[in-house]
Amino acid sequence: NAGVTQTPKFQVLKTGQSMTLQCAQDMNHEYMSWYRQDPGMGLRLIHYSVGAGITDQGEVPNGYNVSRSTTEDFPLRLLSAAPSQTSVYFCASSTGGRAAETQYFGPGTRLLVL
Amino acid sequence: AQSVTQLGSHVSVSEGALVLLRCNYSSSVPPYLFWYVQYPNQGLQLLLKYTTGATLVKGINGFEAEFKKSETSFHLTKPSAHMSDAAEYFCAVRTGANSKLTFGKGITLSVRP
Repeated sequence: NAGVTQTPKFQVLKTGQSMTLQCAQDMNHEYMSWYRQDPGMGLRLIHYSVGAGITDQGEVPNGYNVSRSTTEDFPLRLLSAAPSQTSVYFCASSTGGRAAETQYFGPGTRLLVL
Repeated sequence: AQSVTQLGSHVSVSEGALVLLRCNYSSSVPPYLFWYVQYPNQGLQLLLKYTTGATLVKGINGFEAEFKKSETSFHLTKPSAHMSDAAEYFCAVRTGANSKLTFGKGITLSVRP
């Protein structure tokens, strides 16, 4: 199993550009989520999905869109990039949404918005 | 509402010394508690978790943590630090099904030779 994969590893954008961060998992996990990591702030939840076709907002959803058309994929779209979206983005997945579930993280995407 | 407090941002220990990373949580219902480790330029990896039952939880790489309800704490310890333990450590809490996993701000552990 490859686990959770993310592409690209690193991206530079100009303000106003749009892009999609890809996330895929091959563990047949129902629950997937996107976090952003900023220095001194830990990880903050952007959006999450409890299964194909179902998504919901997390703590910091503004400026981001998600969709979940398959169990495996959970892309994160930046509609119009802003410097405040410079961050490291992590995708995670777990078997389900139960509180005791372990979340498995991808290696991250580093995004720089100029 | 749930929250996690990790006091301080950086801990430095000598190789072979005790590692103690503190975590306090706030939750109105019984919590599920996690410690994750992040090595440089990598994603997060689960060290250990407390769900129910035994309050002393053993994890990977010789780490353990004890859930103390009366102190609302879940401190991470390791008897003897190794150079390979240098990383960032995150405490996290979750309370119910489909509830979000709330992370602390993280603590960077440095290990001196």
